[in-house]
Amino acid sequence: NAGVTQTPKFRVLKTGQSMTLLCAQDMNHEYMYWYRQDPGMGLRLIHYSVGEGTTAKGEVPDGYNVSRLKKQNFLLGLESAAPSQTSVYFCASSWVSGRSGEQYFGPGTRLTVT
Amino acid sequence: KNEVEQSPQNLTAQEGEFITINCSYSVGISALHWLQQHPGGGIVSLFMLSSGKKKHGRLIATINIQEKHSSLHITASHPRDSAVYICAVLSGGGADGLTFGKGTHLIIQP
Repeated sequence: NAGVTQTPKFRVLKTGQSMTLLCAQDMNHEYMYWYRQDPGMGLRLIHYSVGEGTTAKGEVPDGYNVSRLKKQNFLLGLESAAPSQTSVYFCASSWVSGRSGEQYFGPGTRLTVT
Repeated sequence: KNEVEQSPQNLTAQEGEFITINCSYSVGISALHWLQQHPGGGIVSLFMLSSGKKKHGRLIATINIQEKHSSLHITASHPRDSAVYICAVLSGGGADGLTFGKGTHLIIQP
């Protein structure tokens, strides 16, 4: 099993450009999450999904959109990138909700917006 | 919104020492997670607790629900334990994502 994978690992964007980050898991997990990690701050939840075809907003959803068309994939989109979106992005998945299941994290995507 | 505080922020210790990292939160929770982030950036889940105590190898995690406090202990610490340790909580109310502390940066010197 590859676990949770993220594509790409690194990306540099210019302000206003768009991109999509792909998260894939091969563990048949129902729940998937997108977090961002910034220096001096804890990880923060952007969006999450409790199953195929469902998405919900987290703590910092503005400027991002997500889709979960297939159970194994969770896409994070930036329609018009801004320097404030420079961050490390982590995807995670879990079998059941965070109330009873550990989360498995991807390796992260380092995004720089200039 | 739950506030999660970790202490200390930074900790340097000698190999073999007993390590304690603390986590406190402001609002009642349904679960607490301890995570380890390696120097290369990868994040691994260590424990998920809702009550009591769990042990895995040299790692022990405890939680006191009444006091809204959890501790992570490392016995016989080793340089390979050097990492950032992150506490995260899941509150009630329907949202399913975790609220994270800022992490404790641990360095174990040989």
